[in-house]
Amino acid sequence: GQQLNQSPQSMFIQEGEDVSMNCTSSSIFNTWLWYKQDPGEGPVLLIALYKAGELTSNGRLTAQFGITRKDSFLNISASIPSDVGIYFCAGLLLSNTGNQFYFGTGTSLTVIP
Amino acid sequence: GAVVSQHPSWVICKSGTSVKIECRSLDFQATTMFWYRQFPKQSLMLMATSNEGSKATYEQGVEKDKFLINHASLTLSTLTVTSAHPEDSSFYICSAREVAVRAFFGQGTRLTVV
Repeated sequence: GQQLNQSPQSMFIQEGEDVSMNCTSSSIFNTWLWYKQDPGEGPVLLIALYKAGELTSNGRLTAQFGITRKDSFLNISASIPSDVGIYFCAGLLLSNTGNQFYFGTGTSLTVIP
Repeated sequence: GAVVSQHPSWVICKSGTSVKIECRSLDFQATTMFWYRQFPKQSLMLMATSNEGSKATYEQGVEKDKFLINHASLTLSTLTVTSAHPEDSSFYICSAREVAVRAFFGQGTRLTVV
């Protein structure tokens, strides 16, 4: 199925630094979701965005639904070691044939203490 | 958030045997569940959409007879990997979508076929 373009592919940062990652698509999405996946675990939902321009925070995480509805970003402020993992964006596309989720390619985050 | 439970977390089986993986939505009813396969350091690949009371919808390239999906109730979907072979070894993840269109994932099942 369609994949969202997620960048960067991987990041290595010092503890305390801020992190930014984004997802883009050629399609307009109705919902954007951001997940974090730890090794050997299923993805855990971090933030859900439902309308264009929406800016939502969850602790040190902030995500925005792009105005064009074709992109979204996730920011992590003051990173800590437990932020390590793979972050996926997901977009929900509503169509006449049904709803379909599409996933980004993932951003692997490494936080150096 | 909603809870999706997947069982087992790990399974090792002999080549040629079948393995069943369960996915349960614990605190909500899910008319639709999804099964994904994930290779190391890659994103999730949708295998099939499981619809309660009807046949699953498989993605292109996924063998229906190999990966049997049953969605017998609003809270349970099962994936059976039939006649498993080493190339079927992978991480399998289910998800269920609640009314608010948020999708929640099970913890995944690591399948190793020896």
